[in-house]
Parts: sequence; structure tokens; C-alpha cells
Amino acid sequence: AQSVTQLGSHVSVSEGALVLLRCNYSSSVPPYLFWYVQYPNQGLQLLLKYTTGATLVKGINGFEAEFKKSETSFHLTKPSAHMSDAAEYFCAVRSDTGRRALTFGSGTRLQVQP
Amino acid sequence: GAGVSQSPSNKVTEKGKDVELRCDPISGHTALYWYRQRLGQGLEFLIYFQGNSAPDKSGLPSDRFSAERTGESVSTLTIQRTQQEDSAVYLCASSPTGQEYSPLHFGNGTRLTVT
Repeated sequence: AQSVTQLGSHVSVSEGALVLLRCNYSSSVPPYLFWYVQYPNQGLQLLLKYTTGATLVKGINGFEAEFKKSETSFHLTKPSAHMSDAAEYFCAVRSDTGRRALTFGSGTRLQVQP
Repeated sequence: GAGVSQSPSNKVTEKGKDVELRCDPISGHTALYWYRQRLGQGLEFLIYFQGNSAPDKSGLPSDRFSAERTGESVSTLTIQRTQQEDSAVYLCASSPTGQEYSPLHFGNGTRLTVT
């Protein structure tokens, strides 16, 4: 079975500060991992994904995430937050056995303070 | 090009009525998914279609929920005898293939309110 845990339903940072959104997964086989972002009143869009190869993946808008198998983690980071980063972020996992659909975490709402 | 289109964008219905939600996937996408997002919560998987294979219905919460898809085109999600707990945003997504690494493209959702 696959599952995702996102620690912290709300995260608040100051503009220019480091953004760190945590995601831990459970999967019985090597997973495919995704981060999606949902801006206010918009649909979800893909931020970045890990499939195979390099464990540090870069996405849009300066975000990146690192796959750490030993820690079963896929935390999302950005060195310097911008006001426009305020949104809800969802981590998702998919494995190559069993259910074909993505399993999503419960989401983390990021607030950026001026 | 056109993205995933869902209609209606908003639906208010009375408890006990049936509702039908529509999803137009991106042309050529063989995989189609329905998810439900309750207020303040994450996405809950409902059903998955892949080409002509039997759909994965394992996420449907009750037999009041059903979905159909004709070929690789439009899908409809039907909720019979709606209940207040059905109030949520229903999201449709499509993907070029059913492969595990293939990202999903989401529509903007249908916000369902059951009064």
C-alpha cells in the first residue's frame, strides 16, 4: 500500500526566508513522487516530480525536492520565499504495483508574510 | 492547447437529488481520474479509467456514486440521492498514459453544495 504524510497543515514564512515543506511516504516498491501546487481559485498544477535517476529534482518557480530513500522523504524547498508562493502544496506518491492512481497527502498551506 | 474542462463549475442541489458532473479530458489522454476534495482536506481518490480496461472503482465511497467514460473521451460522475456530506470540490484529471511516472493534468473542479 502507498501513503503520504505531510507534516504541518499550515506553514508561515517571511518573504525572502527559506521554505521547507515536509513529505514522508510509504511504499512497498520504489515510488514515483510528485509535488503539486494549488494557487487560490485555480486547479492543481505539477511543481516537480521524481521518477528515477538524480535524487535532487528541480521544478518550476525555484522549487526543488530531494528524494531520500533511507528517510522515505521527499521534502520541498525553496531558498527564498516570494509573496506569490502563497498557495496549498500537495505531495503525492505512486508505485508501480497496485493502485494506479496518485495517493495525495493532506496538503500544506503556505503563507508568506511581508 | 485546451486543458481539462469540467462542468458545471458550481452546483447547488437539494439533499436527495441526483447530480451529474462532467469532465472533458485533454485530447489523446488515455487515463482519467476523479478525486474529491473536501474543505480543508486533501484529495481523495474516487475512480480511475485507463483506455478500455476495467475502471478502478476502489475509491468510490458508496453505491450512490458511479462514473462512466466512453472510450478515451468525456467522463461523467453521477451521485444519486445526494447527502450533505457529499459537499466538496470534485476534481477530474487526465494523463497521457497510465504509466506511473506520467503526471496528472487537473481541471478546475466542480464545487458541489448539498443543502
